[in-house]
Amino acid sequence: DAKTTQPPSMDCAEGRAANLPCNHSTISGNEYVYWYRQIHSQGPQYIIHGLKNNETNEMASLIITEDRKSSTLILPHATLRDTAVYYCIVSRLWTGGSQGNLIFGKGTKLSVKP
Amino acid sequence: ETGVTQTPRHLVMGMTNKKSLKCEQHLGHNAMYWYKQSAKKPLELMFVYSLEERVENNSVPSRFSPECPNSSHLFLHLHTLQPEDSALYLCASSQGTGNTGELFFGEGSRLTVL
Repeated sequence: DAKTTQPPSMDCAEGRAANLPCNHSTISGNEYVYWYRQIHSQGPQYIIHGLKNNETNEMASLIITEDRKSSTLILPHATLRDTAVYYCIVSRLWTGGSQGNLIFGKGTKLSVKP
Repeated sequence: ETGVTQTPRHLVMGMTNKKSLKCEQHLGHNAMYWYKQSAKKPLELMFVYSLEERVENNSVPSRFSPECPNSSHLFLHLHTLQPEDSALYLCASSQGTGNTGELFFGEGSRLTVL
């Protein structure tokens, strides 16, 4: 069962901020929000994850609402190379191996245009 | 370059052939995964190996046979496949415990079954 809802596609102008929304209204208290992206013909790439506080790294920022029912991934200055499918995943803290599975949905296809 | 290398990148095989996909990771991780990505479908987890032991098998048909001889190598042996098995097969690795559990993916092996 899908735990997240994302728009199927979005466009963004090169150099502008790309704001990708994700709804996860049934998120549990111990579940994190993970973001991955998949550039065409490549494997998915980890971007960022968070629990309740906003997070920032060299790739992106993650803004989680106070009720934790939705979040937004922000790419501050989108480039053509950011064109990809972006996946929002909700999961309990995932440390790999026998801890289970990160379930990828259909994601949002972001097209960055010149 | 993610540190996870998959070969071959492309494979065409008949339904009676036997072939193998190979994955090698140079990251010192102790967990490895096989995912399947069919056209217009989400990623599906197939197998998980943690410390060279298979810890998850997601009801995958026996015509797919994984092998993990050591923590750096993972194989997917293929035999008597069906055309519907044509897909992108992705290998991933992670450090099993102690950090975010970020998945590192290879670029995938594109399989076509005739």
